[in-house]
Amino acid sequence: AQRVTQPEKLLSVFKGAPVELKCNYSYSGSPELFWYVQYSRQRLQLLLRHISRESIKGFTADLNKGETSFHLKKPFAQEEDSAMYYCALKSHRKLIWGLGTSLAVNP
Amino acid sequence: DAGITQSPRYKITETGRQVTLMCHQTWSHSYMFWYRQDLGHGLRLIYYSAAADITDKGEVPDGYVVSRSKTENFPLTLESATRSQTSVYFCASSSLASADTAPYEQYFGPGTRLTVT
Repeated sequence: AQRVTQPEKLLSVFKGAPVELKCNYSYSGSPELFWYVQYSRQRLQLLLRHISRESIKGFTADLNKGETSFHLKKPFAQEEDSAMYYCALKSHRKLIWGLGTSLAVNP
Repeated sequence: DAGITQSPRYKITETGRQVTLMCHQTWSHSYMFWYRQDLGHGLRLIYYSAAADITDKGEVPDGYVVSRSKTENFPLTLESATRSQTSVYFCASSSLASADTAPYEQYFGPGTRLTVT
């Protein structure tokens, strides 16, 4: 079955600390994975996609097919990173979503 | 340059009433989606549409009806609202770009916060 798992509902870190939001997936085939972010009371927006291998707002995510993971990382968290983060897997023309991780960056 | 809009942004209704949430996009995207967002459940797909007059059920379609007579509009109707349908509803759209040539992305509207009393 195709599935996305985000094991942490809430992650709390201090400003300047490294942060890693975990995402594991189950998919038979070559996966296409995304991280979306939702700041407080705003719409969801794409943060990054694995095929672009880009760094957005200091965040990176590497696809590890062996571990079926796509963890989101940032070396030094900022208060403005506090938001809800969703990992998503493309399946045909739809996205399969994880339940999300709420990141709180404390001053 | 509105992109994707939703109306109303906030709605309070009573149990048993019919409610329609509107979604409009200006990009001529082929695909449109309706999600509900609930604490502990993340985003759940209600219905989606591949083109005008083509709709299909998502993960949680019961109690909802959709239509898509025009590419740009994708209204969601709660035929007889229940308290369990209190939620934040997001509409999204994506283009029909080939997966091999253009990056896939779903673009989201601002959401409608619906309360059923």
